[in-house]
Amino acid sequence: DIQMTQSPSSLSASVGDRVTITCRASQGIRNDLGWYQQKPGKAPKRLIYAASSLQSGVPSRFSGSGSGTEFTLTISSLQPEDFATYYCLQHNSYPQTFGQGTKLEIK
Amino acid sequence: EVQLVESGGGLVQPGGSLRLSCAASGFTFSSYWMSWVRQAPGKGLEWVANIKQDGSEKYYVDSVKGRFTISRDNAKNSLYLQMNSLRAEDTAVYYCARVDWVGGNPDYWGQGTLVTVSS
Repeated sequence: DIQMTQSPSSLSASVGDRVTITCRASQGIRNDLGWYQQKPGKAPKRLIYAASSLQSGVPSRFSGSGSGTEFTLTISSLQPEDFATYYCLQHNSYPQTFGQGTKLEIK
Repeated sequence: EVQLVESGGGLVQPGGSLRLSCAASGFTFSSYWMSWVRQAPGKGLEWVANIKQDGSEKYYVDSVKGRFTISRDNAKNSLYLQMNSLRAEDTAVYYCARVDWVGGNPDYWGQGTLVTVSS
């Protein structure tokens, strides 16, 4: 199974900050990765697919990069509505696996 | 508008069975792979199972193999998850999700249905 190691597990930041979340795959997964945002009590929402493609309707302050084993999600200027938990998901091989999540909190 | 609506969750005793359903609308259901993903209370997301458009391929996480069965009825635009031999660790919100052609991972999700396994 491919392990997805996501860091940090939590992060405190302020409105306007630039933040980066990382996912490392235990083996190469090309660009078969998506990033999701989840708010309490809600279903996840896809932000990024194919590692770096922005989902339609998602603000351009969100961006993804990486290929192979290392991937990043960057939020260029945090907005109040961005405080949530973020997950990566690899679909390169079964079983598909999520990272452990990053809880982004207001400083 | 794409809509996915899960139903069938509830309280069940350990060893019991439950069948979850997901009603899809707003897209051509038979053209998409579909997924079930779960989330235990206060925990992260866990992929559970995928099914191909015609039901000919199915994949499961190891922890549910032999106990859970994913299926679909394209005539009814519905996805199912038959869960047998339920354990306390299966307690979670179960989400139905559509797998996007381009991205290869879920793009639209339902609101989830809670399954509680407890005596």
